[in-house]
Amino acid sequence: AQSVTQLDSHVSVSEGTPVLLRCNYSSSYSPSLFWYVQHPNKGLQLLLKYTTGATLVKGINGFEAEFKKSETSFHLTKPSAHMSDAAEYFCAVSDSGNTPLVFGKGTRLSVIA
Amino acid sequence: DTGVSQDPRHKITKRGQNVTFRCDPISEHNRLYWYRQTLGQGPEFLTYFQNEAQLEKSRLLSDRFSAERPKGSFSTLEIQRTEQGDSAMYLCASSFQQVKTGELFFGEGSRLTVL
Repeated sequence: AQSVTQLDSHVSVSEGTPVLLRCNYSSSYSPSLFWYVQHPNKGLQLLLKYTTGATLVKGINGFEAEFKKSETSFHLTKPSAHMSDAAEYFCAVSDSGNTPLVFGKGTRLSVIA
Repeated sequence: DTGVSQDPRHKITKRGQNVTFRCDPISEHNRLYWYRQTLGQGPEFLTYFQNEAQLEKSRLLSDRFSAERPKGSFSTLEIQRTEQGDSAMYLCASSFQQVKTGELFFGEGSRLTVL
């Protein structure tokens, strides 16, 4: 069965410093991996996704993630945090095209001025 | 606005009452999903439809829960005899094609509070 572990429930960074949100997955197949962001009282928005091909994927708002099969990881990074990045971030996995997404518990990102 | 819409956005009810949530997906999307999100947790899968067919139901979906998508367009999620443990945000999402190549588009959710 597929699963996702987000290693940090809360990450706090200063504005302008790098962001690292960690995600490990478990999957019996070649997984598809996703990062979503949720701002307060808003719906989940896709940041980026990995399905096949290039293992470094770029998303919106300067975020990127690297699929590392050997480490079963899909960590989310951004070179320089902005105040508007403060939100809840969710990593998700799908085993195949016919299995619904399984989400991690989320990482709350705080950005300090 | 052509995104996923959910109604009502917030519902407060007393234990034992029935509640119904509605989801209108993006019009060309043939897949519709229901998730539940409680405080401090990620979304948990409940069920999904492809067109009008309900393809999978989670064990979280007890017999008090029922979902329909009668004409392959909007969907309803009904909870009968609500319990305090049902208090959560109920999220709807839609997609056009298989998840592996496409993203899920989420609505803003329907928050249920059971007193």
